[in-house]
Amino acid sequence: DAGVIQSPRHEVTEMGQEVTLRCKPISGHDYLFWYRQTMMRGLELLIYFNNNVPIDDSGMPEDRFSAKMPNASFSTLKIQPSEPRDSAVYFCASSSGSNYGYTFGSGTRLTVV
Amino acid sequence: AQSVTQLDSHVSVSEGTPVLLRCNYSSSYSPSLFWYVQHPNKGLQLLLKYTSAATLVKGINGFEAEFKKSETSFHLTKPSAHMSDAAEYFCVVSENQAGTALIFGKGTTLSVSS
Repeated sequence: DAGVIQSPRHEVTEMGQEVTLRCKPISGHDYLFWYRQTMMRGLELLIYFNNNVPIDDSGMPEDRFSAKMPNASFSTLKIQPSEPRDSAVYFCASSSGSNYGYTFGSGTRLTVV
Repeated sequence: AQSVTQLDSHVSVSEGTPVLLRCNYSSSYSPSLFWYVQHPNKGLQLLLKYTSAATLVKGINGFEAEFKKSETSFHLTKPSAHMSDAAEYFCVVSENQAGTALIFGKGTTLSVSS
């Protein structure tokens, strides 16, 4: 298995633009998680899905952030409009239940200028 | 709510000496606990996990951790540090009884000098 695949690896965008981050989980994993990592706040859980259904989105910072999981093999995290304070590394992870731990993708480094 | 506290933000050791990264947890019930490692500009990799089986858990790369309920601790150890162990280490606890969402500690940076 290729693991959790995220794209793009790096994204530089101007303030106000829409940004879409993509994630392909490991086949057979029924949980998908989006995390954000910054120096100031560490790793923050943004949202997670179970069987494609959002379970907890309380970590989504504001309405500019939205996430979807249209099928078991694909999820997106969208920021519209983007702001400089959104600059961070965004990780996607998948799991078949957290007692097994998560498998993380390599992350997307987002820079909003 | 569950939480973890990593007691040291930075630990420095010499190559060949033991490593101890400390973690205390808070949980209302028997938690699942994990250690993850993140090398610079890389994703996070699972080192080991505790899920109510043996209290001494062995992981990859010679690391191990011991679950001590009386001390609410889950410290990570390695007998002999290697230069390649230099990285950020995260102690993690499951959020709820179903154990679906994980809560990460702030991380401990391990530096290894030659």
